Amino acid sequence: EAEVAQSPRYKITEKSQAVAFWCDPISGHATLYWYRQILGQGPELLVQFQDESVVDDSQLPKDRFSAERLKGVDSTLKIQPAELGDSAMYLCASSPGLAGVRETQYFGPGTRLLVL
Amino acid sequence: GNSVTQMEGPVTLSEEAFLTINCTYTATGYPSLFWYVQYPGEGLQLLLKATKADDKGSNKGFEATYRKETTSFHLEKGSVQVSDSAVYFCALRSGGMTGNQFYFGTGTSLTVIP
Repeated sequence: EAEVAQSPRYKITEKSQAVAFWCDPISGHATLYWYRQILGQGPELLVQFQDESVVDDSQLPKDRFSAERLKGVDSTLKIQPAELGDSAMYLCASSPGLAGVRETQYFGPGTRLLVL
Repeated sequence: GNSVTQMEGPVTLSEEAFLTINCTYTATGYPSLFWYVQYPGEGLQLLLKATKADDKGSNKGFEATYRKETTSFHLEKGSVQVSDSAVYFCALRSGGMTGNQFYFGTGTSLTVIP
C-alpha cells in the first residue's frame, strides 16, 4: 500500500538554527499539506499545495517558515531560525486532488521536532 | 466559520466496554466528516468517513453516522480492545475560498485497560 514518506522522523536542534523537513506524497497525489501538531492538540494547517502552487499559506509564519514543492512532487518545509515554541510534530499529508470535498487525506508518520 | 468540537478526554475504559466519543461540527455548505486515529509517535490514520447526511462510516468495528439535524458525527464501538488505545480526531472537510480545507478537533485520548 502506498504511503506518504517523511524524513527525518526526529530532529533535535538549538534555537536560532535552521531546520528542514522533507515529504514525499503518495504517487500521483496532486494536493500536499503540511500541518503542525502541538502536543495534546489537533493538527493545524500550515500550507497547502496544489501541484507546485501554494493554495493556502494563511497560517504559515512567513517570517521564519518557508515551503516549496518545486516539481509538484516532493516538498520541503524549512524553519529559520528555529524558536523554542516550534517544538511540535510536523505532519505531511496528501490527497489525489480530484474529488473535492469528499476527498480523504493520507498522512505520513510525521517529524518530531525538539528545539533546545 | 468551520469548526469541530470533540468531547474532552482522557477516556479510560475496561476491555469489552462500549465506547462513544462525541463530535459536533459547525460548517458552511455540505462538509464531509472523518474520524482519524493516532497511535503514539505516529501520524494520523483514516478510521472512517461519511460524505453526506445519514451516511454511516464503519471500519474495524467502529461506526459513526453523519447527522445533519444535530450536526454530529459521534464515534461508537460496541466492544473495545486494548489495541484501540490511541488518540481519536474528528475532522471535517468543507469547501472554502482557497480550496477544500480540513478542520480537526482537539483529539480524545482513549486508554483501554485489560
